[in-house]
Amino acid sequence: KAGVTQTPRYLIKTRGQQVTLSCSPISGHRSVSWYQQTPGQGLQFLFEYFSETQRNKGNFPGRFSGRQFSNSRSEMNVSTLELGDSALYLCASRAGLNTGELFFGEGSRLTVL
Amino acid sequence: DAKTTQPPSMDCAEGRAANLPCNHSTISGNEYVYWYRQIHSQGPQYIIHGLKNNETNEMASLIITEDRKSSTLILPHATLRDTAVYYCIVRRTSYGKLTFGQGTILTVHP
Repeated sequence: KAGVTQTPRYLIKTRGQQVTLSCSPISGHRSVSWYQQTPGQGLQFLFEYFSETQRNKGNFPGRFSGRQFSNSRSEMNVSTLELGDSALYLCASRAGLNTGELFFGEGSRLTVL
Repeated sequence: DAKTTQPPSMDCAEGRAANLPCNHSTISGNEYVYWYRQIHSQGPQYIIHGLKNNETNEMASLIITEDRKSSTLILPHATLRDTAVYYCIVRRTSYGKLTFGQGTILTVHP
C-alpha cells in the first residue's frame, strides 16, 4: 500500500508570492491534516479535512488555507508569503474521524527568500 | 489535550533496551497515549498507542501506570536507526489534532 505522498518535495519562493502544496493520502483514508514544522516553533497543527470539509483548524492566519477533493486528495495554499513561512509542511492521513493513528508523508520543504 | 513532559535527551547503547518516560499527570479518562518518532528530515512515524493496558507491537512496548499519569515507551533492542526525536502525545482518538511538544532526542550509540 502506498504511503502518503506530498508534492513538491522542495520549492523556493520569494516574499509576496503564493504557493500550493499537494497531498495524496493513503488509499482508503478520508481524513487529511496539515502541519508546519519550523526549528523555532516545532510541529504545529494547521487544519484537518474530512469529506471535503474542514473539521479542525489551528492558530494560523487566514493566508493559510486548504481544501480537500472528492478523492480525498488535499491541497494547502499559502498566500502573500513571508520569510517566516519557510518550513517543512507535513501532511498526514487517517482512515476516519474515529481512527487514532495518523500516517505522515515526507513533507514539502518551502524556502521563502 | 493533556500536556506531557519528556526528558529533552537520552542515550542508549546499541542492542540495549531504550526506556523513554513520559509524564501526563492531567490525562483524562477518554484520552489515549500516543507515541510518534521523527527521524531527521522525515515525517513523524506512528509507533504505538494505548489507553490503560500495556501494549506491544513489532516496534515497541508501551507501559502505562495504573493511575495513567505516566507511561514508558520501550524499544527492546535499540539500533542506530532508532536515533530520532520521540514524541509522547495525549489525545482523544476522535480528535484529529496532534499537539507535539519538544519530545526526547534519543541517541543510540555503538
